[in-house]
Amino acid sequence: DAGVIQSPRHEVTEMGQEVTLRCKPISGHNSLFWYRQTMMRGLELLIYFNNNVPIDDSGMPEDRFSAKMPNASFSTLKIQPSEPRDSAVYFCASSLGQGRNTEAFFGQGTRLTVV
Amino acid sequence: AQSVAQPEDQVNVAEGNPLTVKCTYSVSGNPYLFWYVQYPNRGLQFLLKYITGDNLVKGSYGFEAEFNKSQTSFHLKKPSALVSDSALYFCAVRDGHNQGGKLIFGQGTELSVKP
Repeated sequence: DAGVIQSPRHEVTEMGQEVTLRCKPISGHNSLFWYRQTMMRGLELLIYFNNNVPIDDSGMPEDRFSAKMPNASFSTLKIQPSEPRDSAVYFCASSLGQGRNTEAFFGQGTRLTVV
Repeated sequence: AQSVAQPEDQVNVAEGNPLTVKCTYSVSGNPYLFWYVQYPNRGLQFLLKYITGDNLVKGSYGFEAEFNKSQTSFHLKKPSALVSDSALYFCAVRDGHNQGGKLIFGQGTELSVKP
């Protein structure tokens, strides 16, 4: 298995532009998580899905952020409009089943820089 | 609400010496606890987990962790540290009463192993 695949690996964009981050979870996994990592805030959970349904989006910082999971093999995190303070590494992770004893597997992350 | 605390930002150890990375947690139900490691410019890698049973859990790369319910702790340990163990370590928790399976991470501890 190729693991969790995120694209792009690096994104540099200008303030005000729309940014879309993509994630392909491990085949067969039905839980998907989006995290943001910064030096100041550490690793923050933004949103997670079970069976393509958003369960908890309380970590999404503002209405500028939105996430979708149209099917079991694809998810997007969109920022519109982007701001410099959105600069961070964004991770996607997936896990098997809804069981709380299952570990999550992480992608390599997307490093976003908003200038 | 569930939470995880890693009281040390950094731990320094000499190669060959035992290491401990500390973690305490707070949950309303039974805890499901995890340790992850992150190498520079990489995603998080799963090391080990505690679900139930033996309080001493063994994981990858010679790491183990000890669950202590009375102290609400789940410290990561290794009998003999290697220079290649130098990385960022994260403790994470899922709440057994939480139907959603939210996975929350601590702030991370930077482990530095010197020759």
